[in-house]
Amino acid sequence: GQSLEQPSEVTAVEGAIVQINCTYQTSGFYGLSWYQQHDGGAPTFLSYNALDGLEETGRFSSFLSRSDSYGYLLLQELQMKDSASYFCAVRVLDDSGAGSYQLTFGKGTKLSVIP
Amino acid sequence: ETGVTQSPTHLIKTRGQQVTLRCSSQSGHNTVSWYQQALGQGPQFIFQYYREEENGRGNFPPRFSGLQFPNYSSELNVNALELDDSALYLCASSLAQGNEQYFGPGTRLTVT
Repeated sequence: GQSLEQPSEVTAVEGAIVQINCTYQTSGFYGLSWYQQHDGGAPTFLSYNALDGLEETGRFSSFLSRSDSYGYLLLQELQMKDSASYFCAVRVLDDSGAGSYQLTFGKGTKLSVIP
Repeated sequence: ETGVTQSPTHLIKTRGQQVTLRCSSQSGHNTVSWYQQALGQGPQFIFQYYREEENGRGNFPPRFSGLQFPNYSSELNVNALELDDSALYLCASSLAQGNEQYFGPGTRLTVT
């Protein structure tokens, strides 16, 4: 099976930087994704890391260390609209032998951005 | 480009009943995944369909079943509903080897 750990809540000030960590234990690991979900909304894709290192997309960056089974999402220049839940998700090879991939999500980190 | 749509938006059912939820994939996507999201939790993978065949399944009992149609739209069927089935049901479409999944707005199911 798979397990993921991420903090349940984080609070940060508008304009600041925040890092949301994710550690995972899984077999058949292919990559780590991050999704954002506003209250009452659908999850939306933020980033995907298959290889070690940092991926940058605008104000958001994501990091992966496969040897440490660890990743993080970095949000810079925080804005009020960034208040949402953030989920890390591991992409693993389905063990049914069908050759497909599936996503297993963590429980999410609720980010509150305050003025 | 049309995004992922789901119907209905909300649904109330009684324990023991059966329910069918529907999902239309984003244009060009041939893979659909279904997730159950309980309040305050992350989405849990139910199963995935590719070219009308189930090709991946999470830890859900057989009373959760699905279909995918030639136009890649999909249905999730749940039989013998239990109170714990109350949740937000999300479908997500993607390309078969794609890294990004596009989620629909979900169907909020309440079982009383």
